[in-house]
Amino acid sequence: ELKVEQNPLFLSMQEGKNYTIYCNYSTTSDRLYWYRQDPGKSLESLFVLLSNGAVKQEGRLMASLDTKARLSTLHITAAVHDLSATYFCAVESDYKLSFGAGTTVTVRA
Amino acid sequence: EAGVTQSPTHLIKTRGQQATLRCSPISGHTSVYWYQQALGLGLQFLLWYDEGEERNRGNFPPRFSGRQFPNYSSELNVNALELEDSALYLCASSLGQGLETQYFGPGTRLLVL
Repeated sequence: ELKVEQNPLFLSMQEGKNYTIYCNYSTTSDRLYWYRQDPGKSLESLFVLLSNGAVKQEGRLMASLDTKARLSTLHITAAVHDLSATYFCAVESDYKLSFGAGTTVTVRA
Repeated sequence: EAGVTQSPTHLIKTRGQQATLRCSPISGHTSVYWYQQALGLGLQFLLWYDEGEERNRGNFPPRFSGRQFPNYSSELNVNALELEDSALYLCASSLGQGLETQYFGPGTRLLVL
């Protein structure tokens, strides 16, 4: 069974500083997703990573994928308050998504 | 373009009752997925429907079932409700079977008393 581990589970960020969320998974996969979830809301797709070495950037967020290490990272540059949310990585295998536990991010001034 | 829609937004039931949750996919999407997000258990895959057929099922008991209609909308039925079925149920849709991005609806929050 595919296992997805995210860390840290909680991240208190200071505005303006850089941080990284890690996502490890246990077996080979077709693709890896990063989603954002605001409290009481659904999941918003951030990135889809398809191949080894893939890097995608949107604003202050950058995601990368190393399929050999079975590791994806979500890097946050110069954190701002509106990035406060829970971030999930999800790995696709067998046409279903297996999710990490989520990283709850709080950005403080 | 309208996104994935789900109804109802909230549902309150008592133990032993049945719940029916509904999902309409994005226009043109033929695959519908159901996930459960329960406190302490994270997001777990429940069911996948494509072209009216159940294609894959997560590790849930048979009292969780569903169907997909010819217009690709879907229903999730939960029979003999238990307290631990209280959760946010998310529906997602994608373009056909295969490796396509899943887009999520707003969810139905089910509370079992």
